Amino acid sequence: QVQLVQSGAEVKKPGASVKVSCKASGYTFNTFYIHWVRQAPGQGPEWMGVINPGGGSTYYAPELQGRVTMTSDTSTSTVYMELTSLRHGDTAVYYCARDEFPGELRRYCQYWGQGTLVTVSS
Amino acid sequence: EILMTQSPAILSVSPGERATLSCRASQSISNDLAWYQQKPGQAPRLLIYDASTRATGIPARFSGRGSGTEFTLTITSLQSEDFAVYYCQQYDSWPQFGQGTKVEIK
Repeated sequence: QVQLVQSGAEVKKPGASVKVSCKASGYTFNTFYIHWVRQAPGQGPEWMGVINPGGGSTYYAPELQGRVTMTSDTSTSTVYMELTSLRHGDTAVYYCARDEFPGELRRYCQYWGQGTLVTVSS
Repeated sequence: EILMTQSPAILSVSPGERATLSCRASQSISNDLAWYQQKPGQAPRLLIYDASTRATGIPARFSGRGSGTEFTLTITSLQSEDFAVYYCQQYDSWPQFGQGTKVEIK
């Protein structure tokens, strides 16, 4: 069965960076795009960007451009999301989620990771 | 940027009744709309895509309609497990979610 397993919770100070991992299993890793979505407390989800794990191409939300980097490691079927220059407003649960069809970017997702809480606190 | 507006913010419904949730896009998105259900501490769960197609394993009491800028999600005969927050998401351009409708027990 398809599984996305994320790394554990993080607490960071303002100005620091965080790197969250998402290990995929149960399907052919290279063939499905992976999205990153975050959700601040009490808010709706916010799309951060997407990566093609096989080719490494990425598309980032304009408001995060310059602070977010998504990478993949095909040898371990793992994608990573790094966010730099953290601010209090980045406190959120961060999710990875798999796009719906192989080789296509449909932009909606049935399979999600369990979420990683990132807290930015001084 | 396409803005997604959901209404109402809170919907109070008795078990067994029907719930109708609305979602409006700031510009036409054809039928590029998905609906998700989210319970506390859980990831969103895909219910509907392409505005009206149920995702795998989703019960028939969930149905979606609409195209262009106006969309609805209807839940007939609400079950106890249906009380949750529901989000619409457009994918005509890069994904954008609404702010959600909380369906609570009346």
